[in-house]
Amino acid sequence: DAKTTQPTSMDCAEGRAANLPCNHSTISGNEYVYWYRQIHSQGPQYIIHGLKNNETNEMASLIITEDRKSSTLILPHATLRDTAVYYCIVRLFYGQNFVFGPGTRLSVLP
Amino acid sequence: GAVVSQHPSWVICKSGTSVKIECRSLDFQATTMFWYRQFPKQSLMLMATSNEGSKATYEQGVEKDKFLINHASLTLSTLTVTSAHPEDSSFYICSARDDGTGGTDTQYFGPGTRLTVL
Repeated sequence: DAKTTQPTSMDCAEGRAANLPCNHSTISGNEYVYWYRQIHSQGPQYIIHGLKNNETNEMASLIITEDRKSSTLILPHATLRDTAVYYCIVRLFYGQNFVFGPGTRLSVLP
Repeated sequence: GAVVSQHPSWVICKSGTSVKIECRSLDFQATTMFWYRQFPKQSLMLMATSNEGSKATYEQGVEKDKFLINHASLTLSTLTVTSAHPEDSSFYICSARDDGTGGTDTQYFGPGTRLTVL
């Protein structure tokens, strides 16, 4: 079973920041938070991952709360092409499989 | 990021025939690859873990004799759906694990193969 809770859907205006929350209140000390997204009829695309520090790459930023019980994925300037299902996944340890929950369906509106 | 390809991207076959799907890691070696299945409006479900040079590990409820997996090299895994039936119609997605540094690893996913069994 997925160990995360995400809103079912969200809307965001094009050009604005999209902030996608994820609750993982039962996360343990050696578990990482991963984010993937899946555009319709494509395979999931890796976005970012982190353990406890905030992370940033060319796609997004990941903000993890100090108690690590929740995190937020930030797409700084959402475009129509960012419309997708976003999955927040917590992994127990190195090599464990990824368990996908239902994710958040983000719709970027013009 | 690392690239994983799948072939074919879609296939239509008659009931009772077998279909082979290839998964390749293009710019890295993958000792472990995974096969997922996704039905419409549902999330990905792991079918099996493919290990290079050894037998695949199947998830509960997945028939190993129906879904044959071969991982003959560090860049190629194949999934063969034998004696396909309409209920096997689905979106099949593979992923390859890129062993990283820093205590964790990342899986990169292929674009998926849409199988339709008539």
